[in-house]
Amino acid sequence: AQTVTQSQPEMSVQEAETVTLSCTYDTSESNYYLFWYKQPPSRQMILVIRQEAYKQQNATENRFSVNFQKAAKSFSLKISDSQLGDTAMYFCAFRGNTPLVFGKGTRLSVIA
Amino acid sequence: KAGVTQTPRYLIKTRGQQVTLSCSPISGHRSVSWYQQTPGQGLQFLFEYFSETQRNKGNFPGRFSGRQFSNSRSEMNVSTLELGDSALYLCASSLYIDQPQHFGDGTRLSIL
Repeated sequence: AQTVTQSQPEMSVQEAETVTLSCTYDTSESNYYLFWYKQPPSRQMILVIRQEAYKQQNATENRFSVNFQKAAKSFSLKISDSQLGDTAMYFCAFRGNTPLVFGKGTRLSVIA
Repeated sequence: KAGVTQTPRYLIKTRGQQVTLSCSPISGHRSVSWYQQTPGQGLQFLFEYFSETQRNKGNFPGRFSGRQFSNSRSEMNVSTLELGDSALYLCASSLYIDQPQHFGDGTRLSIL
């Protein structure tokens, strides 16, 4: 069974600084998708970024980028120029031949 | 385009009762998934539907059931409620099963 591990339960970062959230996963599949979702206190889960495993190029969405290391089964999220609105729970998720599997999440606090 | 709509937003029930939660997906989306979110277990997959067919089911007891209608709207039902069923129930929709999922605001279910 696929597993997703987020080793940092909580992190904090100063406004305008850069922070990296870690995620590792375990799978025997070769074709899959990886996602980062953000859940602010308002509780709606918002898709931040996604990566197709067959693509070597790391995905980027404005201030959000990933470092996808397929051999190491690592999928970290980098947030640049952190903003107060980035304060939220961040979930790493994996989708292969099975439904979406989520990590336990990292609570990120952006400090003014 | 309207997002995923879940009703009701909050629900309070007592042990032994049953409950039905509703989810209206984004227009045109044919896949609907349900998740249970609790502080202890995190996000756990419940069901996945596509074109009225249940494609996947999570590891939950038979008290949890669901269905999808021809207009892609979905309902999930929990019978004989237990205290441990208290959770945030999230619904997500996507165009197809392998596409990114878009989440609703969830239904907060509290069991007394």
